[in-house]
Amino acid sequence: GESVGLHLPTLSVQEGDNSIINCAYSNSASDYFIWYKQESGKGPQFIIDIRSNMDKRQGQRVTVLLNKTVKHLSLQIAATQPGDSAVYFCAENYNNNDMRFGAGTRLTVKP
Amino acid sequence: DAGITQSPRHKVTETGTPVTLRCHQTENHRYMYWYRQDPGHGLRLIHYSYGVKDTDKGEVSDGYSVSRSKTEDFLLTLESATSSQTSVYFCAIRPRGLDGELFFGEGSRLTVL
Repeated sequence: GESVGLHLPTLSVQEGDNSIINCAYSNSASDYFIWYKQESGKGPQFIIDIRSNMDKRQGQRVTVLLNKTVKHLSLQIAATQPGDSAVYFCAENYNNNDMRFGAGTRLTVKP
Repeated sequence: DAGITQSPRHKVTETGTPVTLRCHQTENHRYMYWYRQDPGHGLRLIHYSYGVKDTDKGEVSDGYSVSRSKTEDFLLTLESATSSQTSVYFCAIRPRGLDGELFFGEGSRLTVL
């Protein structure tokens, strides 16, 4: 079974809107979390990370929020663009060498 | 570009045949990983390496072996391929060590008939 994430839900948004992608993780001892983007036929690409001593981190157009109380992670994408269409994965540093991934969320951006 | 090259990128083989996938990195990073990706399961760790000749099992290691005789190469071998090993295989490196993110290669799509 999976320790992280939801079973590939889909999210469809209009170009220019904000997107929020959610993820649940299972190990309360996990201390490091990452969001990846994967386009069709390519490997996962690092977007942003956050450590457990933080609850929010911002990048360029992206923000990651961490709620350790309920073991929840979210990725917010501002002003979503067609190029943001992809599958997004969250990952938790489950046990140092064991980075565990969710099944992903497919984001579709409508022009 | 994470400096990772996987080969072959695509392979079709028959049940019972041996298969070796190669991951080559150009930057001498210590940590290397093999994951498989299947619909509904995300990415799952097969084996990893923390140096030359130092490897360990991941979550789904049954049916797979690995070798790392040089820092730059991490080989994944299926001694006798089965249809359940049809998957996309990704190699990854971890340049900042256990404190940092994984960088992935472009994947190797394996079909076992």
